[in-house]
Amino acid sequence: AQTVTQSQPEMSVQEAETVTLSCTYDTSESDYYLFWYKQPPSRQMILVIRQEAYKQQNATENRFSVNFQKAAKSFSLKISDSQLGDAAMYFCAYRQNYGGATNKLIFGTGTLLAVQP
Amino acid sequence: EAGVTQSPTHLIKTRGQQATLRCSPISGHTSVYWYQQALGLGLQFLLWYDEGEERNRGNFPPRFSGRQFPNYSSELNVNALELEDSALYLCASSLIRGSNEQFFGPGTRLTVL
Repeated sequence: AQTVTQSQPEMSVQEAETVTLSCTYDTSESDYYLFWYKQPPSRQMILVIRQEAYKQQNATENRFSVNFQKAAKSFSLKISDSQLGDAAMYFCAYRQNYGGATNKLIFGTGTLLAVQP
Repeated sequence: EAGVTQSPTHLIKTRGQQATLRCSPISGHTSVYWYQQALGLGLQFLLWYDEGEERNRGNFPPRFSGRQFPNYSSELNVNALELEDSALYLCASSLIRGSNEQFFGPGTRLTVL
């Protein structure tokens, strides 16, 4: 069974600084997707960034980038120039590529990010 | 474009009662997913509906059930409520083919007393 592990329950960063959130996963599949979702205190989950396992290039979305290490099964999120609005719970998630029996997301336990002014 | 909507926002029930939660997907999305976010347990997959059929369910007892209507909206029913069913229930929708992104609704906070 696939699992996703986030070993940092809480993190803190100063405004304008850079922070990296860690995520590891376990799967025997070779074709899958990895995601980082953000859940602000208002609780609506928002997709931050997505990585296809078959792509070697790390995904980037503005201030957000990932370090995808497929062999190590590691998928960390780097937030550059942190802003107060980045404060939220961040979830790492795994999804097997469609074609299997399931389309579900498997989530880690989340990392609560605080941004200090 | 309207996002995923869920109703009600909050729901308070007593143990043994039934709860019904509703979800409207983004227009054009045929897949609807339900997740439970319970304190200390993280986000757990509950159910996946596509084209009106249940495609997959998570490790939850049969008293968690649902359905998807012809307009692709969905209903989650929880029978014989237990205290541990208290949680935030999130609905998400996606295109079954094409985009792999699941778009989430704001959730329904279910409290069982």
